[in-house]
Amino acid sequence: GQNIDQPTEMTATEGAIVQINCTYQTSGFNGLFWYQQHAGEAPTFLSYNVLDGLEEKGRFSSFLSRSKGYSYLLLKELQMKDSASYLCAVRGNYGQNFVFGPGTRLSVLP
Amino acid sequence: KAGVTQTPRYLIKTRGQQVTLSCSPISGHRSVSWYQQTPGQGLQFLFEYFSETQRNKGNFPGRFSGRQFSNSRSEMNVSTLELGDSALYLCASSLSGPSQETQYFGPGTRLLVL
Repeated sequence: GQNIDQPTEMTATEGAIVQINCTYQTSGFNGLFWYQQHAGEAPTFLSYNVLDGLEEKGRFSSFLSRSKGYSYLLLKELQMKDSASYLCAVRGNYGQNFVFGPGTRLSVLP
Repeated sequence: KAGVTQTPRYLIKTRGQQVTLSCSPISGHRSVSWYQQTPGQGLQFLFEYFSETQRNKGNFPGRFSGRQFSNSRSEMNVSTLELGDSALYLCASSLSGPSQETQYFGPGTRLLVL
């Protein structure tokens, strides 16, 4: 089966650091993606991990441990505009499609 | 390059009616996937089209169907609408398939069934 878990909601303060966790159990694995989705808008691609380790992209970093079925998205120097839902998605083997987690709604407070 | 476009952006229908949604992928992208997003279920995969063929299908009833044209534009049809079909319908395109590359989402069509 396919199962992806994320916390439902998180709150953090402007300027702080927040870590959003994602655990997954899928029948195949060919990469893990993070998307950001502002209310009423389409998801936009943030990061991609297929090998274990940390990928850094400016204020955003994503980590993957395939043996643990675990990933996290790290957001540094939080800004108000980072208030959004963050979706973790796993891409299965060739021929399989993305499976999305339920999303984590992040609220950044002043 | 223009992004993924979807029309219409908003729709209101009544139970029992049918609806057709349209998606134009990024130029050069041949794969189009459709998703349904609801507050309770999150983003759920409907189906994927590549070169006018349905390549993959999610767990949705046969009332949900789609097709892809030779220019890669895709349409999704829902017949005999139910209240539970109210959702944001998103399409996403990629060069040759979401199992190989990142997919890019359109703005979505928000469907309300009364």
